[in-house]
Amino acid sequence: GAGVSQSPSNKVTEKGKDVELRCDPISGHTALYWYRQSLGQGLEFLIYFQGNSAPDKSGLPSDRFSAERTGGSVSTLTIQRTQQEDSAVYLCASSLGLGNEQFFGPGTRLTVL
Amino acid sequence: GIQVEQSPPDLILQEGANSTLRCNFSDSVNNLQWFHQNPWGQLINLFYIPSGTKQNGRLSATTVATERYSLLYISSSQTTDSGVYFCAAMGNTPLVFGKGTRLSVIA
Repeated sequence: GAGVSQSPSNKVTEKGKDVELRCDPISGHTALYWYRQSLGQGLEFLIYFQGNSAPDKSGLPSDRFSAERTGGSVSTLTIQRTQQEDSAVYLCASSLGLGNEQFFGPGTRLTVL
Repeated sequence: GIQVEQSPPDLILQEGANSTLRCNFSDSVNNLQWFHQNPWGQLINLFYIPSGTKQNGRLSATTVATERYSLLYISSSQTTDSGVYFCAAMGNTPLVFGKGTRLSVIA
């Protein structure tokens, strides 16, 4: 069956612009997660959704970051007024429920010039 | 929150050799996963193993939850096993990743 998909696969933007990243989870998965992997760094948790609700937003790096999920399916991560330190690979994962095995998408590589 | 430590950070093996990667975590976990990150950055699921032992081909994993560690065994290593291996644990918040073990298998 189809795995987690993300778009775009690559995004180059100028400092100060807004970007929107999209994640399509595995069908039927109620939990959806966003992570970030910076060059030479580990994977950093950003936010998760149980259904359409995000119970814990404390992992978002700043108030320029926001995320939403609609219809219990697609999620978008929005970064406003991008900064160079936002450059990273943004990974999305989904699981059947919170605590179940997570499956990752291929990621979106964001480069802020 | 939970802390995850992996060792060794780097490992170089001759093709055909066996290896053991270790993951220590600081608290009880509801979920523990091992991943292989391939050269294109994709995270490949290896094991979902909050406790017990599992095997898949040349790979096997054991988690001893009471002692807060997990081990990943790679037998008869191949060059295609090269990449970064991550352990990730979940307590009350979503997965916390270790820094990974970078494995290089040389022919």
